[in-house]
Amino acid sequence: AQSVTQPDIHITVSEGASLELRCNYSYGATPYLFWYVQSPGQGLQLLLKYFSGDTLVQGIKGFEAEFKRSQSSFNLRKPSVHWSDAAEYFCAVEALQTGANNLFFGTGTRLTVIP
Amino acid sequence: GAVVSQHPSRVICKSGTSVKIECRSLDFQATTMFWYRQFPKQSLMLMATSNEGSKATYEQGVEKDKFLINHASLTLSTLTVTSAHPEDSSFYICSATTLLDPGLTDTQYFGPGTRLTVL
Repeated sequence: AQSVTQPDIHITVSEGASLELRCNYSYGATPYLFWYVQSPGQGLQLLLKYFSGDTLVQGIKGFEAEFKRSQSSFNLRKPSVHWSDAAEYFCAVEALQTGANNLFFGTGTRLTVIP
Repeated sequence: GAVVSQHPSRVICKSGTSVKIECRSLDFQATTMFWYRQFPKQSLMLMATSNEGSKATYEQGVEKDKFLINHASLTLSTLTVTSAHPEDSSFYICSATTLLDPGLTDTQYFGPGTRLTVL
């Protein structure tokens, strides 16, 4: 069965520091991979996605993520965090590569940014 | 592009009443829409998947008679919580995807959510 693990429930970083949010998945084939961000009381905004090709993908707001097949990981990074990045981050996996299929979400990582 | 709206953003209702939540794709045609429920500080739980013009497919444990889903057009899906009770209070989020625009396929675009409070 597919699963997504975000091992860090809560991360606190200082503004301007670098950030890495971890995501590991369990799936038999290479899935489609996504990172979404959710601000309090809001829906989810797509940050970036990986389907195939270059394993380093660039997203919005200065985020990037790297797909590592050998580690079944898709970690999200940002070189310099801004206070506005404080939010909940969800990693998600689409299990099948045809059409619009279900997303399996991790439990989320809450990011706190301190001045 | 790929904007999804939800209405209302929050609703308070009395126990026993029904509440309808709308999900609209504003700038694309959504061939599939999803409804999720999110409890405080938790991840999203998929409730059901609906394809335009077809009956929704509900996840295990979700009561189809309680959570009525209609996807009558390519831009609108509705979730009706029937005979709502306090335990139905939650944050409901819809998402939409399409097979009609190659630039948007294989990605779910989410609405801003609806906060339902049942008194």
